[in-house]
Amino acid sequence: GENVEQHPSTLSVQEGDSAVIKCTYSDSASNYFPWYKQELGKRPQLIIDIRSNVGEKKDQRIAVTLNKTAKHFSLHITETQPEDSAVYFCAASRFDQFYFGTGTSLTVIP
Amino acid sequence: SAVISQKPSRDICQRGTSLTIQCQVDSQVTMMFWYRQQPGQSLTLIATANQGSEATYESGFVIDKFPISRPNLTFSTLTVSNMSPEDSSIYLCSVGTGDRYGYTFGSGTRLTVV
Repeated sequence: GENVEQHPSTLSVQEGDSAVIKCTYSDSASNYFPWYKQELGKRPQLIIDIRSNVGEKKDQRIAVTLNKTAKHFSLHITETQPEDSAVYFCAASRFDQFYFGTGTSLTVIP
Repeated sequence: SAVISQKPSRDICQRGTSLTIQCQVDSQVTMMFWYRQQPGQSLTLIATANQGSEATYESGFVIDKFPISRPNLTFSTLTVSNMSPEDSSIYLCSVGTGDRYGYTFGSGTRLTVV
């Protein structure tokens, strides 16, 4: 089955700096890669996604890149704000089943 | 995206008992899934709830322990059977419309087994 690895597990940045979270996947058949943000005690919320026919996608301060050859994808958050503090999960999807990374706890220091 | 109502939101149960979690969606959805999230951990897929047929379980999860129903395209239940403290976790349902966008999660059920 699919194996998704995510790094780092924890990340602290100063407000205004950028944060990068990286994921790798094992199944070349995976073709959809969403990122979820989970605040403490709340459900995961989809923040951005990318399909395998696209190399990069951007939505305001958030961007995701995908390298299919290397089977890795990354989340980039620019101009971080304290409200960006949360746990972020990447996922790889094939046949509509999602397999999640282990999560990154992001802390933005004011 | 679909609006999901999941209940109960939390429960404390005695070991050896069973708990059924319900997931109601405000529109017909193609895909429904059940996940488990242990404290401080990632989300692990338990099974895909198939309408009109048996659920498809992931490795490590079995129907006897986690029976699932999906009687129609808007509703599903997950039962955690013969519970032990190791089953203490958050259980979440997730739905997708088949267009690969808008996969959303229910608010979760926080289960504590004592």
